[in-house]
Amino acid sequence: GQNIDQPTEMTATEGAIVQINCTYQTSGFNGLFWYQQHAGEAPTFLSYNVLDGLEEKGRFSSFLSRSKGYSYLLLKELQMKDSASYLCAVRDQNYQLIWGAGTKLIIKP
Amino acid sequence: ETGVTQTPRHLVMGMTNKKSLKCEQHLGHNAMYWYKQSAKKPLELMFVYNFKEQTENNSVPSRFSPECPNSSHLFLHLHTLQPEDSALYLCASSQGADTGELFFGEGSRLTVL
Repeated sequence: GQNIDQPTEMTATEGAIVQINCTYQTSGFNGLFWYQQHAGEAPTFLSYNVLDGLEEKGRFSSFLSRSKGYSYLLLKELQMKDSASYLCAVRDQNYQLIWGAGTKLIIKP
Repeated sequence: ETGVTQTPRHLVMGMTNKKSLKCEQHLGHNAMYWYKQSAKKPLELMFVYNFKEQTENNSVPSRFSPECPNSSHLFLHLHTLQPEDSALYLCASSQGADTGELFFGEGSRLTVL
């Protein structure tokens, strides 16, 4: 079966750096996506990786290793507004999105 | 504001009621989706429409009935639901059905009594 694993919950301190990991086992691979979802709000697209390496976008970076079936989302200079759930999703060989259960990130002052 | 609007935001219904969820997108996208989101579970894809044609039905019970009258509007008709159907129902749209960048609405929180 297809599976996406990510930690259920993480806690970090304002101003610090946090890394949210995502491992996947899917039937084929056509890209990996990260979404952010604040409580009671719509998920919003953060990043897309299809080749190995690091994609940087401001304070957020996303890394992919296809050989290891592994990705991480790196958040720098954490702000209170970064408290949210972060969803990892992989597009499989049929271009279907397979979703993880999400990581709830709690930022403390 | 994501360009995808869902109504109602909250809905409480009994198991014998009939209700509908509505979704509208203002992005000019060709594909629309219904997802079910339950606490601590992955998003569950329910239905996909591409250019108004249903292309995906992920073994969803018949008590959920989708309708897509045009590429901007999507409905989910609900009938004889069960308490385990209580969840957040998210609508999304994308440029095409194989695009991974989805634009989500804020969801309709459904409670079945």
